Amino acid sequence: GESVGLHLPTLSVQEGDNSIINCAYSNSASDYFIWYKQESGKGPQFIIDIRSNMDKRQGQRVTVLLNKTVKHLSLQIAATQPGDSAVYFCAEFYTGNQFYFGTGTSLTVIP
Amino acid sequence: DTAVSQTPKYLVTQMGNDKSIKCEQNLGHDTMYWYKQDSKKFLKIMFSYNNKELIINETVPNRFSPKSPDKAHLNLHINSLELGDSAVYFCASSQRRGEQFFGPGTRLTVL
Repeated sequence: GESVGLHLPTLSVQEGDNSIINCAYSNSASDYFIWYKQESGKGPQFIIDIRSNMDKRQGQRVTVLLNKTVKHLSLQIAATQPGDSAVYFCAEFYTGNQFYFGTGTSLTVIP
Repeated sequence: DTAVSQTPKYLVTQMGNDKSIKCEQNLGHDTMYWYKQDSKKFLKIMFSYNNKELIINETVPNRFSPKSPDKAHLNLHINSLELGDSAVYFCASSQRRGEQFFGPGTRLTVL
């Protein structure tokens, strides 16, 4: 059924600005994290990942930061473009193949 | 060449009917998944399956059952459909732990 009482966090940014999407993860034993991007009408797609032995990883226009002390993950998108408008999910992996997807954040880029 | 495909893309049916959604992956992955995404974009894992183990999310009603004729296919069968089953269903696959490749989704509408 529906996720009653919960709302998808939203973020609106001006085209060209930097975006920061945050994710608080739940399990201190999580050792691997992935960010996914889901465009309208499509399935989620891998953007970037990071292992718990790192605190930063960079890709093309994207950077993931991991703060294990406070169990926080962020995705930074540089020079945000209209094509970056999507829902972004973080996923945490722990104990074998167990994993959990976060609630997602909807990013809207204003031209 | 589509990596993870699902059929049908749209499915409209009456309450009480039984329906199936098919999923195929040509990536040679060991593990396949089914997710349900509601209208608020929350992504909920329903099943994960490889040739050795089926892991069922305990919140999934037993009206839902995955069926895997071979390693490349994981179909989702739903009995006695209810209004609350209306959602987008995603199939995904991965090679053990890590990045999951998602299909395009099947939008199920129960009337």
